[in-house]
Amino acid sequence: NAGVTQTPKFRILKIGQSMTLQCTQDMNHNYMYWYRQDPGMGLKLIYYSVGAGITDKGEVPNGYNVSRSTTEDFPLRLELAAPSQTSVYFCASSYSKIGGQFFGPGTRLTVL
Amino acid sequence: KQEVTQIPAALSVPEGENLVLNCSFTDSAIYNLQWFRQDPGKGLTSLLLIQSSQREQTSGRLNASLDKSSGRSTLYIAASQPGDSATYLCAVSHISNFGNEKLTFGTGTRLTIIP
Repeated sequence: NAGVTQTPKFRILKIGQSMTLQCTQDMNHNYMYWYRQDPGMGLKLIYYSVGAGITDKGEVPNGYNVSRSTTEDFPLRLELAAPSQTSVYFCASSYSKIGGQFFGPGTRLTVL
Repeated sequence: KQEVTQIPAALSVPEGENLVLNCSFTDSAIYNLQWFRQDPGKGLTSLLLIQSSQREQTSGRLNASLDKSSGRSTLYIAASQPGDSATYLCAVSHISNFGNEKLTFGTGTRLTIIP
């Protein structure tokens, strides 16, 4: 199994541009999550999904959107990039809500 | 509101020593606690998961304990090696204010093993 994969690894955006961060898992996990990690801060939950077709907001959802059309994929969309969205983004998945979460390698995003 | 604290923020120890990393949390109503390792510029690797009903978990040179009543967990690393150098994060799984399950992370302890 490849586990959780994320693309791209790095990206630089200009203010106002949009992009989609891709996340795929091959473990047939129902639960998927998007986090952002800022220097000196713990990871913050952006959005999560408990299964295909079901998504919900986390702590810091503003400026982001998600969709979950399949069990495997959970893309994160930034519509109007802002400097405050400069961060490292991690996708994770788990089999159940009390099982451990498996993380992808992250996407480092810079908005200039 | 659940808060997770890890002290110290950074720790340096000579190779071969045993060491303990600390994690504390404010709300004992948790599902589980997980310890992760993060190497610079990399993702998180799960090390140990302790369910709320458990007291400890062991994997190789690592041993994690959980005391829910006092809101504490420790990660014990035996016979440290330079390859153990990384940032160690703990995270607790619990119910958020909105009624959904979430993971709250500490800010991590950056560990350096000196050869």
